[in-house]
Amino acid sequence: QKEVEQNSGPLSVPEGAIASLNCTYSDRGSQSFFWYRQYSGKSPELIMSIYSNGDKEDGRFTAQLNKASQYVSLLIRDSQPSDSATYLCAVGSARQLTFGSGTQLTVLP
Amino acid sequence: EAGVAQSPRYKIIEKRQSVAFWCNPISGHATLYWYQQILGQGPKLLIQFQNNGVVDDSQLPKDRFSAERLKGVDSTLKIQPAKLEDSAVYLCASSSGTPQQPQHFGDGTRLSIL
Repeated sequence: QKEVEQNSGPLSVPEGAIASLNCTYSDRGSQSFFWYRQYSGKSPELIMSIYSNGDKEDGRFTAQLNKASQYVSLLIRDSQPSDSATYLCAVGSARQLTFGSGTQLTVLP
Repeated sequence: EAGVAQSPRYKIIEKRQSVAFWCNPISGHATLYWYQQILGQGPKLLIQFQNNGVVDDSQLPKDRFSAERLKGVDSTLKIQPAKLEDSAVYLCASSSGTPQQPQHFGDGTRLSIL
């Protein structure tokens, strides 16, 4: 059974701080990694994808991947109240995309 | 570019009744997915289509759930008969290729079983 584990949360950070979200996965054959943001009552929205080891930056978001440690993270710089949502880590293999259960982030004004 | 379309947005039925959900993927996307998301959990794949063929339905409860994508475009997911534990959001997603390609989700159908 392929597993994707995330910090159970909830995670609270003050406005302007860095939010750090973590994810580990069990399938060493995984080749694609995604972070989705899901607002309450809404569907998941893709915010980052990463395929190779290292960092990938997009605006205030940085995804970090370490395949040797089977670890992927998402950093949100200068966190805003509008970033308050559940963040889902998803790990893809040739056959399937597996989601973690999500980490709920609250950014306090 | 139009996104993934789903209907209905909400559905309330009694247990043992049947229900159907419809999905139209992003134009040109060959791969279509149906997920079940229970409150507080991540989406769980029910079935994956590549064009009009089933790629993976290993987690689909086939005694009550069925899905089709007859012309390789839109798709229907059916539950018959519904059980209380089927209360969830049913999400449709599409991508241009394999599960390694980004998937884009529709707004989902929130199903409540009484």
